[in-house]
Amino acid sequence: GAVVSQHPSRVICKSGTSVKIECRSLDFQATTMFWYRQFPKQSLMLMATSNEGSKATYEQGVEKDKFLINHASLTLSTLTVTSAHPEDSSFYICSAKSGSLNTEAFFGQGTRLTVV
Amino acid sequence: DAKTTQPNSMESNEEEPVHLPCNHSTISGTDYIHWYRQLPSQGPEYVIHGLTSNVNNRMASLAIAEDRKSSTLILHRATLRDAAVYYCILNDNYGQNFVFGPGTRLSVLP
Repeated sequence: GAVVSQHPSRVICKSGTSVKIECRSLDFQATTMFWYRQFPKQSLMLMATSNEGSKATYEQGVEKDKFLINHASLTLSTLTVTSAHPEDSSFYICSAKSGSLNTEAFFGQGTRLTVV
Repeated sequence: DAKTTQPNSMESNEEEPVHLPCNHSTISGTDYIHWYRQLPSQGPEYVIHGLTSNVNNRMASLAIAEDRKSSTLILHRATLRDAAVYYCILNDNYGQNFVFGPGTRLSVLP
């Protein structure tokens, strides 16, 4: 299947700093990318959906100024957690789709963020 | 958003078939039914998807009810590596809103 590469796989940062997570589709053009957050023993929570060249659509309750999403090309989307706090510690996962209706989504390996 | 309901957990013996159910009574005519699975500390992995007809691939089979209000993911011979959380998801008309429910945690006993 198609490959989505997410980097870094884990990161530890100090409270108040910003962290950028990259999500790349390696062998297909990702017209749509999704960003999720997952807390221990819970399901994935959709944070935002981004289409290439457009502003991301954020889910209710997700602060767009805190979680900055950029999807400037068909192979790269980034999520920046700004002014991170310990409660932002979580497992962040991206996924990418090409086309629309009948294509499957491919997921990155996830990024374990720990804010200390 | 169309929603799905799945049992919280299921158990199977190794090398036996597993039938994982999913109810989606509010599915719309153009929603595709997707299945993914997630192992601990990993991103989800695509399993299978379909619209109306049953689908088969190397990983599993997907049986879709005639009224499309339910579907069943079939693992023909469970292995220990199939132990994971399985998610049934409906993908809307524009490929947006890829929303996960709680999923079914499958345990496979040796």
